Amino acid sequence: DAGVIQSPRHEVTEMGQEVTLRCKPISGHDYLFWYRQTMMRGLELLIYFNNNVPIDDSGMPEDRFSAKMPNASFSTLKIQPSEPRDSAVYFCASSFGVGSLTIGYTFGSGTRLTVV
Amino acid sequence: RKEVEQDPGPFNVPEGATVAFNCTYSNSASQSFFWYRQDCRKEPKLLMSVYSSGNEDGRFTAQLNRASQYISLLIRDSKLSDSATYLCVVNTGDTGFQKLVFGTGTRLLVSP
Repeated sequence: DAGVIQSPRHEVTEMGQEVTLRCKPISGHDYLFWYRQTMMRGLELLIYFNNNVPIDDSGMPEDRFSAKMPNASFSTLKIQPSEPRDSAVYFCASSFGVGSLTIGYTFGSGTRLTVV
Repeated sequence: RKEVEQDPGPFNVPEGATVAFNCTYSNSASQSFFWYRQDCRKEPKLLMSVYSSGNEDGRFTAQLNRASQYISLLIRDSKLSDSATYLCVVNTGDTGFQKLVFGTGTRLLVSP
């Protein structure tokens, strides 16, 4: 099992540029989550999907952020335009659901984003 | 009030010491609880689940007090390799699917 795969591992970009983060969940997992981690705020849930459908995007900070999951094996998080305050580590995680609970919650290695 | 609150630390302890971390959560309807470990510049990884009756995994013991909405993690005989940030995690939500909410973590530094 390759685990949750994220790319790129590091991204440095200039303010105003578009940034796209990618995630491949574990095969068979039906939930996918995007988190952002900063020193000040810790891990924040941005959005999650169930069976490729966005369920809750209330954590997305503003319209500059968008996420898609076109199929069960791929998701993207896009920031356009990027700003220095978006600098953080972005984690993707996947799990499978049993009733209302999540089982087997696994994180990817994260993308460290720096916006200058 | 934050959904999950932890003392950020750091906790500095010598090898062999016993150390305890505490965590409180705000949603009384929360159903499941976990401790995750996160090493520097790495992703969080599940350390152990927390059961109502309390549970032990080697040197690690987790306790849950639903009445006080309080979770604890006890580490005995600390090792240098235990140095990490420990995240308290609560599976919470009002209806339907419950999502994981993470505390900001407690940093542990074990010294020789």
